Amino acid sequence: EVQLVESGGGLVQPGRSLKLSCVASGFTFSNYGMNWIRQAPGKGLEWVAYISSGSSYIYYAETVKGRFTISRDNAKNTLYLQMTSLRSEDTALYYCARHYYDGTYYYFDYWGQGVMVTVSS
Amino acid sequence: DIMMTQSPLSVAVTPGESASISCRSSKSLLHSNGITYLSWYLQRPEKSPQLLIYQISNLASGVSDRFSGSGSGTDFTLKISKVETEDVGIYYCVQFLEVPLTFGSGTKLEIK
Repeated sequence: EVQLVESGGGLVQPGRSLKLSCVASGFTFSNYGMNWIRQAPGKGLEWVAYISSGSSYIYYAETVKGRFTISRDNAKNTLYLQMTSLRSEDTALYYCARHYYDGTYYYFDYWGQGVMVTVSS
Repeated sequence: DIMMTQSPLSVAVTPGESASISCRSSKSLLHSNGITYLSWYLQRPEKSPQLLIYQISNLASGVSDRFSGSGSGTDFTLKISKVETEDVGIYYCVQFLEVPLTFGSGTKLEIK
């Protein structure tokens, strides 16, 4: 059974940093690209970042570029999101999601349960 | 960035009736390989989003065939036939043609 379990969220002051983790199980983690997607309270979904299976390709939303860093450790089956210079508008539930790609089709096929990040003084 | 526009914002449906949700993109989602990278997700209350449909009309594994997708280019539709109470939630379209990947703002389905 595919499982994605996020952790590392919490309450943090504006301007500070936080690192999220997403531990994957039930599949060969190193074969899949991964994403972070967030959802502000009462709002819709916003894609944040993508990393390819071997970390060769990394993309960010403009809203986080230069402040957030996505990375992964395939030996530990873990995806990370290092967040710096946090702002109140970064307050959201952060999901990790597996990026399915079979050479033809792309989609997010599995999502974690999400981890809450609250940026407030 | 590709803008995704959904309508309506919300829809109330009597159980057993059908519902349709529209999604329009600001740019054609047709890739040069002939694939159109448009998917639909359902987020049930207090749950993570789940994949319903990919590439316009392909039903995800385990998803009821009461869900169907159609469209092309920039205009897409999700249809839910014989709506059930378990269909309540927010429906999102999302494009995978190019980064940044972008979602529609969501359509909330409620039961009358």
